[in-house]
Amino acid sequence: DSGVTQTPKHLITATGQRVTLRCSPRSGDLSVYWYQQSLDQGLQFLIHYYNGEERAKGNILERFSAQQFPDLHSELNLSSLELGDSALYFCASAGRGNTEAFFGQGTRLTVV
Amino acid sequence: AQSVTQPDIHITVSEGASLELRCNYSYGATPYLFWYVQSPGQGLQLLLKYFSGDTLVQGIKGFEAEFKRSQSSFNLRKPSVHWSDAAEYFCAVKRSEYGNKLVFGAGTILRVKS
Repeated sequence: DSGVTQTPKHLITATGQRVTLRCSPRSGDLSVYWYQQSLDQGLQFLIHYYNGEERAKGNILERFSAQQFPDLHSELNLSSLELGDSALYFCASAGRGNTEAFFGQGTRLTVV
Repeated sequence: AQSVTQPDIHITVSEGASLELRCNYSYGATPYLFWYVQSPGQGLQLLLKYFSGDTLVQGIKGFEAEFKRSQSSFNLRKPSVHWSDAAEYFCAVKRSEYGNKLVFGAGTILRVKS
């Protein structure tokens, strides 16, 4: 168990809908990273938050957004969902000075 | 831009046989390299990492990897594979020691036959 908690584990929704994925980092970790794992794109970095502030963006679509709250949990919001957004979404957390991140078990999103 | 290539999509080995999974990276400066394993329905677990120093690094579950700068490679090895090693393995690179924006390879699926 990495200590990173992601909810829900599975999510099935229809095209055009909006969903929110939640991540609780390990206790004391200030950084949260979001990654997407899809069949055609593989594992891709989406966005990084540190202590509530956005620090880096990767290949994140404009329909997607994220935030990190004062209690350090993070949410990834996906809107106007398309079939191609079906993927496994991972959250990872890291503490200040940590040289590696710890991954949650992911949320599997299926868009039908 | 950084990139990681894992040339083998699937590898099948017999239980007890040795294993080598290949990884090549493209990055001009000192790379920070990782191997992760993903079992079905599980998250990513770190097997080992290389930042500097001894080019042969030991990891968990009996895995090791060797960094070869001249070949831009970071291959993962295990002397004797167990059935429980069946999983998908990812090589990843990042550009600095701190920060965890990783670039992943496409992964290699390992099958173990008894």
